[in-house]
This record gives sequence, C-alpha cells and structure tokens, in this order.
Amino acid sequence: RKEVEQDPGPFNVPEGATVAFNCTYSNSASQSFFWYRQDCRKEPKLLMSVYSSGNEDGRFTAQLNRASQYISLLIRDSKLSDSATYLCVCRSGGSYIPTFGRGTSLIVHP
Amino acid sequence: DAGVIQSPRHEVTEMGQEVTLRCKPISGHNSLFWYRQTMMRGLELLIYFNNNVPIDDSGMPEDRFSAKMPNASFSTLKIQPSEPRDSAVYFCASSLALGSSYEQYFGPGTRLTVT
Repeated sequence: RKEVEQDPGPFNVPEGATVAFNCTYSNSASQSFFWYRQDCRKEPKLLMSVYSSGNEDGRFTAQLNRASQYISLLIRDSKLSDSATYLCVCRSGGSYIPTFGRGTSLIVHP
Repeated sequence: DAGVIQSPRHEVTEMGQEVTLRCKPISGHNSLFWYRQTMMRGLELLIYFNNNVPIDDSGMPEDRFSAKMPNASFSTLKIQPSEPRDSAVYFCASSLALGSSYEQYFGPGTRLTVT
C-alpha cells in the first residue's frame, strides 16, 4: 500500500462548482500535512498547510481526520485558473522528509 | 529573492553520456532535496541534504546516480552513464528545517531526455 494515496481524477467541473479531494495516509506517525498545487509543466508550489482544527484560505478549506487518516481539500466557487494537479503531502514527526501523493487532477471548464 | 535556481532547464543527450544537473537553493535554507518526476511514478525523492550533508539517499536509483553539495549555495546531481529510462523532470527543492517550520520551495526543474 502506498504511504499517501490520492484519486488521480481528473475531476472535471464547471466554473462556480464546489469540488472536494481526499487523500489517505498510512503512516499513523504523520504529524504535518500540506496541499501543494502543480500547474502543467511547472514546479509544485505550497497551496496551504493543514491544521488539526481545519483551516480556510479564501475559497479553499483543508481538513484533517486523524482517526480515519485522511485529509481533504475543498474548493468553492471554482475558477478556470484552479485547473491544476493538487498534491497531498505528509511528514512524520521528527523528520523533514515529506511524502508526496501522486496528485489529483482538476479541470475547471467554462 | 530569486528562488531556487536550476540549470539547465532542458537537456537532451544520448544514451551513455554523462549528465550534470545544477541547483542553487534559496539563501539561508539549510535543507536541499532532489526529486524526479515522471507520469508513471509521480514525484520521487532521490536524496536529501541537511547542512550540506547527505542524510537520506535511499531514493537514488543506482550507482549511476550521484549527488554532491560542496557548500550551502550549490548542489549537483550527476548521472553517468545516462539511459533512456532516466528521462524525467528533475526538481531541486530547498527549505529551512527549523522546529515545526516546514515549507519546500521548488526550482523550475530540468527536463531531461535521454535518447
């Protein structure tokens, strides 16, 4: 079983839609969680960290469920510019080495 | 800040040739990572340096791959000899590993094609 698993998609949604991605992790020692965004033929960039109590940044909401070992990303009011691959990242306590998921592809169409 | 700088951005080479990829991390960062990304395998960590010292190289595919970090502002990833299956995008990333602080900044990548 992979350490970090994501549905590769693609998720194909119209502008204005709400879309959610989940990511499951197998290492119960994971302590830090992040969502990165990667545009086509570009490098990954940090979108947001995921905090235990959940956190919001504009149209983006991230949540953590430690009991079920998954994190989620919710995007409201999708924009064309949200089209990208979203990478889930986990890091174990005491380690600075992250584990990346394979990513979920999002396509927002007019 | 210039961000993480990688060179070359594109490299096309023939099988058997030596390839050297270069990375300049963000000034002040103490951790450096080399990744390889392909459609089939996603983003794979090759090697991780902390304070210029290799900490984890378990992701380095085989002896054909080697990485160095002679100082805090420069690192190289070398493939010798190169093979077609090495074709991928190679990313360098740096971070300031301090307490619970963590964010990786990626360079633009080197797109390697081995024919």
